[in-house]
Amino acid sequence: DAKTTQPNSMESNEEEPVHLPCNHSTISGTDYIHWYRQLPSQGPEYVIHGLTSNVNNRMASLAIAEDRKSSTLILHRATLRDAAVYYCIPMNYGGSQGNLIFGKGTKLSVKP
Amino acid sequence: EAGVVQSPRYKIIEKKQPVAFWCNPISGHNTLYWYLQNLGQGPELLIRYENEEAVDDSQLPKDRFSAERLKGVDSTLKIQPAELGDSAVYLCASSLAGGGGYEQYFGPGTRLTVT
Repeated sequence: DAKTTQPNSMESNEEEPVHLPCNHSTISGTDYIHWYRQLPSQGPEYVIHGLTSNVNNRMASLAIAEDRKSSTLILHRATLRDAAVYYCIPMNYGGSQGNLIFGKGTKLSVKP
Repeated sequence: EAGVVQSPRYKIIEKKQPVAFWCNPISGHNTLYWYLQNLGQGPELLIRYENEEAVDDSQLPKDRFSAERLKGVDSTLKIQPAELGDSAVYLCASSLAGGGGYEQYFGPGTRLTVT
């Protein structure tokens, strides 16, 4: 399984963009990069995932480095509701290995 | 569209008692997961089902934990007997299929307290 490195914590101001980095230098060519977040006292919430190209959805954007050894989750305008622990998780394409392995994640604080 | 439903949301039991958790996945999702989350840590997979077949139960403590997914829809996770160390949040998730191409959707979890 690919190892990931994320900052333990980050701070942001409300309505400003946030860039959450993740290093996954041992990722395999068939690993998707998934991002989930977990708000206090809730189950994890899917944010976005991608393989090679940058991805956008209504929640965030995912920028994947050309060598795929790192990625950045971009929240375009942070709100107080975005305060959560963000997990970056490489996940193999193959169904037999389709398990999420959560690390410690990055705890994002958003200041009003 | 309804999300993953879990019940109960909270459960307090004495050690050595049995306990069961129920999960109803999103309609049409073939893959179902049970995770355990200890305080301050990320979730850890207990078991994964593809339809009614348990395809990965390597992390399930089989001496006291059991699970079933009859008819490939709802699932039940049971602990018998419960121990103090089983106090945690038990999360259920589902996805259209297994593998990295599919996102997982999580329920709110069941918080178990064993006294």
